Amino acid sequence: KNEVEQSPQNLTAQEGEFITINCSYSVGISALHWLQQHPGGGIVSLFMLSSGKKKHGRLIATINIQEKHSSLHITASHPRDSAVYICAVSYSGGGADGLTFGKGTHLIIQP
Amino acid sequence: DSGVTQTPKHLITATGQRVTLRCSPRSGDLSVYWYQQSLDQGLQFLIQYYNGEERAKGNILERFSAQQFPDLHSELNLSSLELGDSALYFCASSAAGRVVGNTIYFGEGSWLTVV
Repeated sequence: KNEVEQSPQNLTAQEGEFITINCSYSVGISALHWLQQHPGGGIVSLFMLSSGKKKHGRLIATINIQEKHSSLHITASHPRDSAVYICAVSYSGGGADGLTFGKGTHLIIQP
Repeated sequence: DSGVTQTPKHLITATGQRVTLRCSPRSGDLSVYWYQQSLDQGLQFLIQYYNGEERAKGNILERFSAQQFPDLHSELNLSSLELGDSALYFCASSAAGRVVGNTIYFGEGSWLTVV
């Protein structure tokens, strides 16, 4: 069974700080997704990674397939970045599948 | 706006009852996924349909069933409801049959409270 572990579970930081959220998984995957869930409940897909690094605005996501580890970075954090960030993976191999999720990182950015 | 529409947004019902949650995927997306998010279990994959056919099953209880109709909308049926079924149920869609290589779009979710 593929376990997805995220750290930290909770993170409170000051506006402007550089934020790092980590995700590790136990078996081979085809892709890793970073999701953002706001207090209202809606989920937005931020990144989908199978290798390397992706950047979108102030968000950067990296993945190391050999080490089975991914990080999500937020530069110049802002209170509107406050949300739950969820790492999710899809398995290797053929066939269709859903996603296996980490438990999420609750991020609060204080002004 | 993800383009995925879920109804109802909120639902309160009694134990033992049956409810139906509805999802309209993004225009052109053939895959629909159902997920359950509860406080103790987090997000869990329930089931996937692709172009009307069941494609993959996750942790879906036997009391739950789903289907995807020819117009690609999907319904999740929850029966003999228990207090523990109270959760946020998400529908998501993607263009193709696999999550890999395809961006997945989530609806706003349906909040189910069983009392």
